[in-house]
Amino acid sequence: EVVMTQSPDILSLSPGERATLSCKASQSVSADVAWYQQKPGQAPRLLMYGASIRATGIPARFSGSGSGTEFTLTISILQSEDFAVYYCQQYNNWPPYTFGPGTKLEI
Amino acid sequence: QQQLQESGPGLVKPSGTLSLTCTVSGGSIISSSYYWTWIRQPPGKGLEWIGDFYYSGTTYYNPSLKSRVTISADTSKNEFSLMLTSVTAADTAVYYCARKNYLLRIFDSWGQGTLVSVSS
Repeated sequence: EVVMTQSPDILSLSPGERATLSCKASQSVSADVAWYQQKPGQAPRLLMYGASIRATGIPARFSGSGSGTEFTLTISILQSEDFAVYYCQQYNNWPPYTFGPGTKLEI
Repeated sequence: QQQLQESGPGLVKPSGTLSLTCTVSGGSIISSSYYWTWIRQPPGKGLEWIGDFYYSGTTYYNPSLKSRVTISADTSKNEFSLMLTSVTAADTAVYYCARKNYLLRIFDSWGQGTLVSVSS
């Protein structure tokens, strides 16, 4: 099973700042990583896949990078609606699909 | 746009069976483009993939749950279901149904989730 880890656990920033979230896989997963955003009481929402491809309707301030074992989600200019929990997920080596533990982005 | 909605009991007794249904609207589950998936999230914790169902009848399960899980579908009702047997308090979670893109293998549409508590 591929173990996904994320850092930091909590990221405290202000609107207008840049956010950089990290995700690491315990073995190479090529670029088969997705990112999801989850707000309190809501289901996760797909943000990125293929490590760097924005899902439909996702603003350009979200970008992703990485391949192999290290991945990054960047939010260039934080908006108030971006404060949420972010999960990375690998889909290269399955079953099972595995998620990281999440990074909470707080104001 | 397809929508997914979970339904089922919110409380299950220990050692019992958890049964949930996901009703899909806005498109058929008989589609070569998608798998139909269950994912769960214990309160305050992260996400765990439970398993997938494909319209052909093919299923994939998380090895950690495989002995207790069955995912099936009723195409006449355009819904798919989850059964999890021998539940314990560790199975308390919000259960989500989701759609997985067949080619991209990403979860691109989710239900709102339903909380299932395991307690006597």
